[in-house]
Amino acid sequence: AQSVTQLDSQVPVFEEAPVELRCNYSSSVSVYLFWYVQYPNQGLQLLLKYLSGSTLVKGINGFEAEFNKSQTSFHLRKPSVHISDTAEYFCAVTVPGTGFQKLVFGTGTRLLVSP
Amino acid sequence: EAGVVQSPRYKIIEKKQPVAFWCNPISGHNTLYWYRQNLGQGPELLIRYENEEAVDDSQLPKDRFSAERLKGVDSTLKIQPAELGDSAVYLCASSPGPVHDDTQYFGPGTRLTVL
Repeated sequence: AQSVTQLDSQVPVFEEAPVELRCNYSSSVSVYLFWYVQYPNQGLQLLLKYLSGSTLVKGINGFEAEFNKSQTSFHLRKPSVHISDTAEYFCAVTVPGTGFQKLVFGTGTRLLVSP
Repeated sequence: EAGVVQSPRYKIIEKKQPVAFWCNPISGHNTLYWYRQNLGQGPELLIRYENEEAVDDSQLPKDRFSAERLKGVDSTLKIQPAELGDSAVYLCASSPGPVHDDTQYFGPGTRLTVL
């Protein structure tokens, strides 16, 4: 069965600085990968997803992620963060063939952006 | 396009009381999911519907939890009786159906507090 590890529970960063949120997955087969963002008291919103093709995936709000099969990673990056990026970020994985229905989430990383 | 609607947004009850949550998915979405998100954790799937059929309820604690999706549109998740450990955010999500790109879209959730 697949699993997701988000290595950092919390990442503090200053406004306009770059940030990387780490995600590693475990699976014996090919996977689809997702990053969701959850703002306070809101549901999850899809930031980006990797299904196939280019390993560099661009999403909304200036975020991007790179799929690295050899390192089984899918780290999320943004070159310059804003205060409004403060939120919880979840990495998720599913296995093709099971449809998208079997999403397995990591425990989340809280991004704290300060002035 | 309206998103996934959930109500109530917040609910506080005494233990052993019943509680129900309601979800209206995005129009045209055949697949509906209920997740539970404990504090500091990622969402975990409770049940998945394809139209009105529950196709995956393996994680649903059936002794106290029940769900229904009459007519294959909106859905209700019920807990009876509630226990202290049921305090969590209950998220509803929907997706178009078992097609190639079947991204899940989440509602804002219902935050349940059991006293």
